[in-house]
Amino acid sequence: QSALTQPASVSGSPGQSITISCTGTSSDVGTYNYVSWYQQHPGKAPKLMIYAVSNRPSGVSNRFSGSKSGNTASLTISGLQAEDEADYYCNSYASSSRVVFGGGTKLTVL
Amino acid sequence: EVQLVESGGGLVEPGGSLRLSCAASGFTFTNVWMSWVRQAPGKGLEWVGRIRRKSDGGTTDYAAPVTGRFTISKDDSRNTLYLQMNSLKIEDTAVYFCVTEGYGYGHHSFHIWGQGTMVTVSS
Repeated sequence: QSALTQPASVSGSPGQSITISCTGTSSDVGTYNYVSWYQQHPGKAPKLMIYAVSNRPSGVSNRFSGSKSGNTASLTISGLQAEDEADYYCNSYASSSRVVFGGGTKLTVL
Repeated sequence: EVQLVESGGGLVEPGGSLRLSCAASGFTFTNVWMSWVRQAPGKGLEWVGRIRRKSDGGTTDYAAPVTGRFTISKDDSRNTLYLQMNSLKIEDTAVYFCVTEGYGYGHHSFHIWGQGTMVTVSS
């Protein structure tokens, strides 16, 4: 069982928007604004998409956005494209200097 | 080019040991916190542990499943990160990634990833 809870799968059609949730506790997501999101295509290393809850690294499309409310963080992808199909993981800094990941969400672009 | 290249993976019997290496290039390794993240076959990502840069004490933190068995070290003169794994268990079977932590994009974000090295624990 992962420390952060994500839906196992989400899907959407090209052009639509989807949101992936990431639920933690007051020991991680709820206390620290160090939530990041990663995209992983099969057989590849993960790629940082969002850091510090809502910030995009250079080169990441502005179709990707992040937010947080209480113990739940969210990743929204707007204007879905075929290349967005991948696994997405959230992580958070946590108490006792740990880092915890979500179980991952498989995004299918229909 | 900014790059991390892991090596040292392979097949080991339960109870055995293995040392992974991660060679860094293209950035100032001395200034960086580094972490190891693993991914069991078909499973999600799991943080293994970290080492802080020397100026922050060079101290380490580990996830509960590996505490007391795994040791992370960093040789700044060789631009290389290490993961010494002892008393290996079947459940340690995974691809192991080295990754920068908090480099360039906020604290505790994992920005630069290696390609990963596979560790298989089996008899």
